[in-house]
Amino acid sequence: KAGVTQTPRYLIKTRGQQVTLSCSPISGHRSVSWYQQTPGQGLQFLFEYFSETQRNKGNFPGRFSGRQFSNSRSEMNVSTLELGDSALYLCASSLRQGDETQYFGPGTRLLVL
Amino acid sequence: DAKTTQPPSMDCAEGRAANLPCNHSTISGNEYVYWYRQIHSQGPQYIIHGLKNNETNEMASLIITEDRKSSTLILPHATLRDTAVYYCIDHSTFYNQGGKLIFGQGTELSVKP
Repeated sequence: KAGVTQTPRYLIKTRGQQVTLSCSPISGHRSVSWYQQTPGQGLQFLFEYFSETQRNKGNFPGRFSGRQFSNSRSEMNVSTLELGDSALYLCASSLRQGDETQYFGPGTRLLVL
Repeated sequence: DAKTTQPPSMDCAEGRAANLPCNHSTISGNEYVYWYRQIHSQGPQYIIHGLKNNETNEMASLIITEDRKSSTLILPHATLRDTAVYYCIDHSTFYNQGGKLIFGQGTELSVKP
């Protein structure tokens, strides 16, 4: 069974731009969670989607948004990029909403200049 | 935040067993213990979880004490590729944070040739 895939793997943007990241969960998994990871803050939860609905949200500004499609694939968008948005963005899939067993993708490393 | 305590670092010789301890003294009756690891520059990886009985899968074994206040993750024959930061998480932390994975400092395991 294929694992979680994320595209792109690496991205360089400038301040003020926007970015869209994509995540394809493991086949049969219906929940997708997004996390931001930085050396200083560690792993921080962004949001969780299940059945195309956002079920849970972390403490991030409204510039961070996401969506989930009927095939469970998910995208997250960051608008008006700031230097502090430079991070590894991780997507995790699980069978059910709120499932502690989460399978992570390789991440998208975003650098904002 | 995470209510588990782990040593910050450990070394292990290649081919030997790596035993990673975790104290979760505030765990209560129906709360599982989960283990994840993160290899440098990769996404976190689910390893194993357990409630009361010892558990084993293709990656590792999990030994939980009878009082469930601590557990040990065992990698029976550590390889250089097992060098990573290992995180122990208790279910209450996950549940009380609204279903968000929160990693503490973890144990940085270095497997040496």
